[in-house]
Amino acid sequence: RKEVEQDPGPFNVPEGATVAFNCTYSNSASQSFFWYRQDCRKEPKLLMSVYSSGNEDGRFTAQLNRASQYISLLIRDSKLSDSATYLCAVEGNDMRFGAGTRLTVKP
Amino acid sequence: DTEVTQTPKHLVMGMTNKKSLKCEQHMGHRAMYWYKQKAKKPPELMFVYSYEKLSINESVPSRFSPECPNSSLLNLHLHALQPEDSALYLCASSPDGYLEQYFGPGTRLTVT
Repeated sequence: RKEVEQDPGPFNVPEGATVAFNCTYSNSASQSFFWYRQDCRKEPKLLMSVYSSGNEDGRFTAQLNRASQYISLLIRDSKLSDSATYLCAVEGNDMRFGAGTRLTVKP
Repeated sequence: DTEVTQTPKHLVMGMTNKKSLKCEQHMGHRAMYWYKQKAKKPPELMFVYSYEKLSINESVPSRFSPECPNSSLLNLHLHALQPEDSALYLCASSPDGYLEQYFGPGTRLTVT
C-alpha cells in the first residue's frame, strides 16, 4: 500500500462548480499535512496547511480526519485558473506526496 | 518573501560529465531538501539537511552527492549519471522540520 494515496482524476468541471479531493495516508504517526498546487512544468506551490480543526482560505477549505487517516480539499466556485494538479503532502519522518489529482475547469 | 532560487534552470550533460545544481534561500529556514520529480509523478525525496547537517538520505545512488556549505545554500553534485536520472530536480526549504516546505523552480536535467 502506498503511504499517501490520491485519486489521480482527471476531474473535469465547469466554471462555478464545487469540487472535492481526498487523500488517504497510512502512517498514523504523521504530524503535518498540506495541499500543494502544481502547474504543468512548474514547481509545487503551497496552497494550504491542513489543521486538525480544519481551515478555510477564500474558496478553499481543507479538512483533516485523523481517525480515518485522510485529508480533503474543497474548492468552491471553481475558476478557469484553478486548473492544475493538486498534490497532498503528509509529513511523518519525512514528507511524502500523493501522486496528484489533475483538475481541469472548463468555461 | 518565500523565494527559493535554483540554478541552472536547464542542464544537459553527458554520462561522463560532472556538474552541480545550486539552491539558495534567504528566509532563515533551517531545513533544506532535494527532490527528484519525473513527468506525471509526485516529487520523491532524496536528501534532507537540518541545521546544515544531513539528516535523511533516501538510499540515493552515490552518483548524487549533496552539500550544504551554509544555512542558505544547498548543492547537489552530479557525476556519472545515467539517462534514467533525467528529471526535474527540486530544492525546497522549510522553517524547521514538520513545517510547510517552499519549492524552488527546479532544474530540468537531461542526461544524454
